Amino acid sequence: NAGVTQTPKFQVLKTGQSMTLQCAQDMNHEYMSWYRQDPGMGLRLIHYSVGAGITDQGEVPNGYNVSRSTTEDFPLRLLSAAPSQTSVYFCASSYGPGQGADTQYFGPGTRLTVL
Amino acid sequence: AQKVTQAQTEISVVEKEDVTLDCVYETRDTTYYLFWYKQPPSGELVFLIRRNSFDEQNEISGRYSWNFQKSTSSFNFTITASQVVDSAVYFCALSVGPEYGNKLVFGAGTILRVKS
Repeated sequence: NAGVTQTPKFQVLKTGQSMTLQCAQDMNHEYMSWYRQDPGMGLRLIHYSVGAGITDQGEVPNGYNVSRSTTEDFPLRLLSAAPSQTSVYFCASSYGPGQGADTQYFGPGTRLTVL
Repeated sequence: AQKVTQAQTEISVVEKEDVTLDCVYETRDTTYYLFWYKQPPSGELVFLIRRNSFDEQNEISGRYSWNFQKSTSSFNFTITASQVVDSAVYFCALSVGPEYGNKLVFGAGTILRVKS
């Protein structure tokens, strides 16, 4: 199992550009999430999904879009990048209810810089 | 709303010292889960432990131990005989469970520096 994979590892964007951060998992996890990590603030939830075709907003959703067309993939789209979106982005996945452990497993992260 | 507070921003110890990382949480839910994650300098997040709200037993795993006290809403983490490899950022996190999407609320993290 590769676990949770994220691409790219690093990205530099100019203000106003758009891009998609990719996330995939091969553990047949029902739940997937995106978090951003900023210095001194821990990780904050951007969007999450409880299954294919179902997504919802987290704590800091503005400026980001998500969709979940398959169980395996959960891409995060930046519509028009802003310097405030400079951060490290983590994707996570876990089982859903009634399927055992609630623990979320994280991908390696994508370090994004917006100039 | 849920909240996790890690009041210690940074701790420095000398190798072989014991160190305790504090975590205080807030939630109105009676069912919840508490976690500790480690983030070494390489940047990945490593799961350490999960504890549910109905299990107040302390846990020991090698040099690591966790003390969960519902009465004080705390879930503290102790490393015994610290080693340089323990240097990392440690995050405490709270979830109210899979029925709510397994959403995690993180504390700000504690930077642990272990000097040789």
